[in-house]
Amino acid sequence: DAKTTQPTSMDCAEGRAANLPCNHSTISGNEYVYWYRQIHSQGPQYIIHGLKNNETNEMASLIITEDRKSSTLILPHATLRDTAVYYCIGTQAGTALIFGKGTTLSVSS
Amino acid sequence: EAGVAQSPRYKIIEKRQSVAFWCNPISGHATLYWYQQILGQGPKLLIQFQNNGVVDDSQLPKDRFSAERLKGVDSTLKIQPAKLEDSAVYLCASSLGQLILNTEAFFGQGTRLTVV
Repeated sequence: DAKTTQPTSMDCAEGRAANLPCNHSTISGNEYVYWYRQIHSQGPQYIIHGLKNNETNEMASLIITEDRKSSTLILPHATLRDTAVYYCIGTQAGTALIFGKGTTLSVSS
Repeated sequence: EAGVAQSPRYKIIEKRQSVAFWCNPISGHATLYWYQQILGQGPKLLIQFQNNGVVDDSQLPKDRFSAERLKGVDSTLKIQPAKLEDSAVYLCASSLGQLILNTEAFFGQGTRLTVV
């Protein structure tokens, strides 16, 4: 199973970019890296995923290192509503999401 | 597009009672997952279905937990008898297919179970 390591918590000022790092040195070559977030009392929300190349969507950008051992999720302009637990997730043999403890991001004004 | 529907949203039962949770995945999604999330922890996979077949149930406490996905659409998760440590949020998720096929999973709001 692909295991990930993330900082326990991070702070970010509203309007600034939030850069959330993740180490996933055991991920295999054909497994995607997923990012989800969970706001209190809600189910996890999909943000983005990638394999080798950097990815961008309307929510965030994902930068994956060339060796695929780490990645960074970038929220370009954090708002108070981005305060949540962010999970960098590997998969179980490419079939199911295996969650770790995640990073609690606190965005303040 | 409708999301993953779960019911009930909240349930309180006494220990040793039984309880069932229901999940309706996104239309057309072949893969369905049940997760257990204990307060302060990340979700833990309990069981994964591909259509109506079980892909992985290695983390399901089979002495008290059971799950089925009849006709490959809706699914139910049952606990009988419940223990205090089963207090958690039970999350259902679905995806078009296996994640290795470059797809994503979508989660429901979850059912919060309190065992007293």
